[in-house]
Amino acid sequence: QKEVEQNSGPLSVPEGAIASLNCTYSDRGSQSFFWYRQYSGKSPELIMSIYSNGDKEDGRFTAQLNKASQYVSLLIRDSQPSDSATYLCAVTGKRGTALIFGKGTTLSVSS
Amino acid sequence: GAGVSQSPSNKVTEKGKDVELRCDPISGHTALYWYRQSLGQGLEFLIYFQGNSAPDKSGLPSDRFSAERTGGSVSTLTIQRTQQEDSAVYLCASGDNLGLYGYTFGSGTRLTVV
Repeated sequence: QKEVEQNSGPLSVPEGAIASLNCTYSDRGSQSFFWYRQYSGKSPELIMSIYSNGDKEDGRFTAQLNKASQYVSLLIRDSQPSDSATYLCAVTGKRGTALIFGKGTTLSVSS
Repeated sequence: GAGVSQSPSNKVTEKGKDVELRCDPISGHTALYWYRQSLGQGLEFLIYFQGNSAPDKSGLPSDRFSAERTGGSVSTLTIQRTQQEDSAVYLCASGDNLGLYGYTFGSGTRLTVV
């Protein structure tokens, strides 16, 4: 069964620190990788996508992918209290299949 | 539309009743997905529509659940003979290009079965 695993947290970091969120996946054929942010009581919002090995940066967010290790991570630099949310890792296999989501990591940024 | 629209936003129903949940995807998006999220849990895939292809129903938890998508646009998720364990937030998402670039989610329907 295809699975996506995340540490549920909570991960607590002080304001201004780097938050590091990790995700592993079981399907070696997975091709597309996403990070969604979900505030309490709201629906998930896409914040990052990555498709090839290496790093992808977008503002304060950096996604990292290592297909050999089946590992995806999200780094949030200069964390802000507004970053406090649950971060969902999502993975899709072959073209046209639905995303499989992890259960999410709850991040708390204290001011 | 500008975003994915779901209705109703909240639904309380009695055990054993049937319910219909509606999703209106972003205009032009060919891919449409239904997920559900129980309290404190992750997103559970239910069903996926892509254009005119046969839907991927592999995530439907029982034969009480069904969904259709009319005219390649609006989708309806139907739950028959609701049970208390069906209580969850039902999320619809749409995407283009087979969803390869990620999906946009609607605001969800919170279903409570009493």
